[in-house]
Amino acid sequence: SQQGEEDPQALSTQEGENATMNCSYKTSINNLQWYRQNSGRGLVHLILIRSNEREKHSGRLRVTLDTSKKSSSLLITASRAADTASYFCATGPYGNNRLAFGKGNQVVVIP
Amino acid sequence: NAGVTQTPKFRVLKTGQSMTLLCAQDMNHEYMYWYRQDPGMGLRLIHYSVGEGTTAKGEVPDGYNVSRLKKQNFLLGLESAAPSQTSVYFCASSYSNRVEAFFGQGTRLTVV
Repeated sequence: SQQGEEDPQALSTQEGENATMNCSYKTSINNLQWYRQNSGRGLVHLILIRSNEREKHSGRLRVTLDTSKKSSSLLITASRAADTASYFCATGPYGNNRLAFGKGNQVVVIP
Repeated sequence: NAGVTQTPKFRVLKTGQSMTLLCAQDMNHEYMYWYRQDPGMGLRLIHYSVGEGTTAKGEVPDGYNVSRLKKQNFLLGLESAAPSQTSVYFCASSYSNRVEAFFGQGTRLTVV
């Protein structure tokens, strides 16, 4: 089974508003990462949060991690049209060398 | 600095043909991964490697083989292509699965 399942799958928002997406996973992890993919391109790393961290910020991004619920959220504040992309969470399972991705969220920011 | 380079970028194969996808990285990374991306399925791990000369199976390894003879290269082979292998293939590399991974631009493969 796949690690990481984002919810919701598709999200649209107005420019300037916040956009939030969630990710759940099934096993213990070392870390959780978020990536962005623009249409037709490779994935780009956004932010990594370790299992002993609860919240992390990077620019307009805020990530939270709740290991008791095995879930994470990614918040994009003051969204821009350029944030339109697919967003994926990925987990580094504990005791495992894999990097496992979820199905992804499609985010559309309307100008 | 090239990062992760995949060749080819596009390919059309006939059912039963074979081919090899090449991934090259110039960051001295130990870990390398091959994923396939299909609509609605996210990225699924095919095979991965944690160092030169090592390989391991991921979620969907059937129909694929890999080799990591040199640290900088990770090859993905399809011995007898099937239409179900039509997909976009991504290679990634990293120092480990505890830090960020860097992705190539992808190979769009169509099997007819």
